[in-house]
Amino acid sequence: DAGVIQSPRHEVTEMGQEVTLRCKPISGHDYLFWYRQTMMRGLELLIYFNNNVPIDDSGMPEDRFSAKMPNASFSTLKIQPSEPRDSAVYFCASSLQGRYGYTFGSGTRLTVV
Amino acid sequence: RKEVEQDPGPFNVPEGATVAFNCTYSNSASQSFFWYRQDCRKEPKLLMSVYSSGNEDGRFTAQLNRASQYISLLIRDSKLSDSATYLCVVTNSGYALNFGKGTSLLVTP
Repeated sequence: DAGVIQSPRHEVTEMGQEVTLRCKPISGHDYLFWYRQTMMRGLELLIYFNNNVPIDDSGMPEDRFSAKMPNASFSTLKIQPSEPRDSAVYFCASSLQGRYGYTFGSGTRLTVV
Repeated sequence: RKEVEQDPGPFNVPEGATVAFNCTYSNSASQSFFWYRQDCRKEPKLLMSVYSSGNEDGRFTAQLNRASQYISLLIRDSKLSDSATYLCVVTNSGYALNFGKGTSLLVTP
């Protein structure tokens, strides 16, 4: 099992640019979560999906953030336009039935300059 | 106020020591409780679930007090490899994890 795969591992971009983060969940997992981690706020839930359908996006900071899950094996988190305050580590996690064994990806470290 | 509160530490302890972390949560309807471990610049990993009756996994013991909305983690005979950040986590009616900001532990030789 390859685990949850995120890409890229690191992203440095200029303010105003579009950023797309990618996630491949564990095969068979029906829940997918996007989290953001900063020193100030810790780990925060942005959005989660069940069977590719967004269930709760109340954590998405503002309209600049959007997430999609076109199929069971792929999800994207897009920031457009990016701002320096979006700099953080973005984690994707997946789980089976939303209860046991949440598995996190290695994260994408985003720096917006 | 964050839903899950932890003392950020750092806790600096010598090898072999016993150390305890505490955590409080504000939502009395919280349903599931966990401790996660996060190494520097790595992803969080599940350490153990926490049950009302208390549970033990080797050197690690977790306790839950629903009346006081309080969770604890005890580590006995600390090892250098225990150095990490320990995250207290609760879930409510949904399936999303609510994380505390973590407690940093450094075990020294």
